[in-house]
Amino acid sequence: GQQVMQIPQYQHVQEGEDFTTYCNSSTTLSNIQWYKQRPGGHPVFLIQLVKSGEVKKQKRLTFQFGEAKKNSSLHITATQTTDVGTYFCAGGYNFNKFYFGSGTKLNVKP
Amino acid sequence: DTAVSQTPKYLVTQMGNDKSIKCEQNLGHDTMYWYKQDSKKFLKIMFSYNNKELIINETVPNRFSPKSPDKAHLNLHINSLELGDSAVYFCASSPSGGVTEAFFGQGTRLTVV
Repeated sequence: GQQVMQIPQYQHVQEGEDFTTYCNSSTTLSNIQWYKQRPGGHPVFLIQLVKSGEVKKQKRLTFQFGEAKKNSSLHITATQTTDVGTYFCAGGYNFNKFYFGSGTKLNVKP
Repeated sequence: DTAVSQTPKYLVTQMGNDKSIKCEQNLGHDTMYWYKQDSKKFLKIMFSYNNKELIINETVPNRFSPKSPDKAHLNLHINSLELGDSAVYFCASSPSGGVTEAFFGQGTRLTVV
């Protein structure tokens, strides 16, 4: 079945350092979404990428979708303690069906 | 008003019992989902309904049975609970399936003892 791999599993950074998480699919995705889950909370939608090679920015967050639509990345510049949480990608394969990556847990030390 | 609401928030029960989790969304969405998040935080899709019709059933044991009385509600009934069923169960909804963002409920933490 479809599977979305996400690395790293954990990332500990000092406040102010950058952070990147990567997602990879063995088959072509129709789209990819990114979610953030704070400790004890529920996943909250961040963004969706649809086009090959697409890059979107939200303040300090930069999202990329690969040219082959098989991989994606989320980069956070100059992390803050409010960035703490688990970041998930969710790969869409067809209508109504998308699979979450295993998540990257980000810890930011002040 | 909570967009996607689940009840109960916490559920502690003994092995072998039958329990239900309810979910309601007031967003007017057509598609609803159940996800299971285990202790390692893996989010695994279990079921998806579109306009009350089951469209995704991901190799979930028959002990789990979803029911959608209308498109605003998707309940999850679990028979003969096992220790391995302990997890956080999230309900979610989206306007038109996987092509748009999903809105998640607060989750139900199920503990089977």
